[in-house]
Amino acid sequence: SSELTQDPAVSVALGQTVRITCQGDSLRSYYANWYQQKPGQAPILVIYGKNNRPSGIPDRFSGSSSGNTASLTITGAQAEDEADYYCNSRDSSGHHYVVFGGGTKLTVL
Amino acid sequence: EVQVVESGGGLVQPGGSLRLSCAVSGFSFSRYSMNWVRQAPGKGLEWASYISSSSSTIYYADSVKGRFTISRDNAKNLLFLQMNSLRAEDTAIYYCARDEPSSSIFDYWGQGSLVTVSS
Repeated sequence: SSELTQDPAVSVALGQTVRITCQGDSLRSYYANWYQQKPGQAPILVIYGKNNRPSGIPDRFSGSSSGNTASLTITGAQAEDEADYYCNSRDSSGHHYVVFGGGTKLTVL
Repeated sequence: EVQVVESGGGLVQPGGSLRLSCAVSGFSFSRYSMNWVRQAPGKGLEWASYISSSSSTIYYADSVKGRFTISRDNAKNLLFLQMNSLRAEDTAIYYCARDEPSSSIFDYWGQGSLVTVSS
């Protein structure tokens, strides 16, 4: 299957650590990349490759991977981290170029 | 500063056509592959199409294959998406996104262009 599966919603208390996961067969061959999207805004890249942050992304964002599961971890979540998070990767089935996960709505309590 | 700006969206009737443009600046356009990613109202991101830096490789999602055509003009730093036979389910914000070559790392996105297919 070329799909990437994410939990629809996750919540975290302010200042606590939260992990958002992404599962799929493609992740056995390719790293996941992670995007943050706030209401009314375009997505922005927050983690790419093994565990890389673009310039300007706080170091509380990190990525990891094991088997068919990739994770985005926010250590010490802030109110401004409340957003939708999407993973994507190359499609290992070759059917499509890339696949996106369905997205996870993160609520910071 | 990298800038990515989409244009050309609007209201179109089912079965109609529309051409989206994406103007980029601040980087060497001809060295990067590009993508169109869309997002239906209240839904998640859906990759739609990819074009390599030289236009030699092109991919489409099954949902748009045979109806949409991606192209680029490296001399003018422009990316295009020609959309024909539009359906209600094509209603979405269409984003143009730069791609580290063949990596699926979409590091710069435009603000999007809204396409509404309705009678």
